[in-house]
Amino acid sequence: NAGVTQTPKFQVLKTGQSMTLQCAQDMNHEYMSWYRQDPGMGLRLIHYSVGAGITDQGEVPNGYNVSRSTTEDFPLRLLSAAPSQTSVYFCASSYTLLENTEAFFGQGTRLTVV
Amino acid sequence: DAKTTQPTSMDCAEGRAANLPCNHSTISGNEYVYWYRQIHSQGPQYIIHGLKNNETNEMASLIITEDRKSSTLILPHATLRDTAVYYCIVRVNTNAGKSTFGDGTTLTVKP
Repeated sequence: NAGVTQTPKFQVLKTGQSMTLQCAQDMNHEYMSWYRQDPGMGLRLIHYSVGAGITDQGEVPNGYNVSRSTTEDFPLRLLSAAPSQTSVYFCASSYTLLENTEAFFGQGTRLTVV
Repeated sequence: DAKTTQPTSMDCAEGRAANLPCNHSTISGNEYVYWYRQIHSQGPQYIIHGLKNNETNEMASLIITEDRKSSTLILPHATLRDTAVYYCIVRVNTNAGKSTFGDGTTLTVKP
């Protein structure tokens, strides 16, 4: 198992550009979610999905879109990048129905918007 | 999910036990206590979780008070590699994808 894989690891964007952060998991997890982490702060939930075809907003969804066409993939789209979106982005996945529903995290994508 | 309160930072001597407290006075009956840690901006890593009883695994022990309003994560023999930010999270068991991370406790293990 590769676990949760995020690509790219690093990215620099110009203000106004768009891009997609990729997240894939091979554990057949129902739940997938995206967080952002600003320097010195905890993680904040952007969007999450409870299964293929179902997504919902988290705490800080503005400026981001998601879709979940397959169980394995949960891409995060930045529509028009802004400097305020400079952050480290983490993708996570987990089961929903088992007792031990720990979340598994990817290694992060470090995004800089200039 | 219930709110948690953790100290901002703690130090521990290498080889000694590290005891990290967490207050969660508004915890509901169906909410679990989860602990994660984040080493040097890597992705958070699951450590342990519990509902009412104390729990132990290969990484740590979790002590939950009888009224469930607070808990303590214990790293029995801290090493330099345990230096990290430790997050205490309280949530229902089927809501892992919506975990609310606070600012956590920065544990520094010193030689």
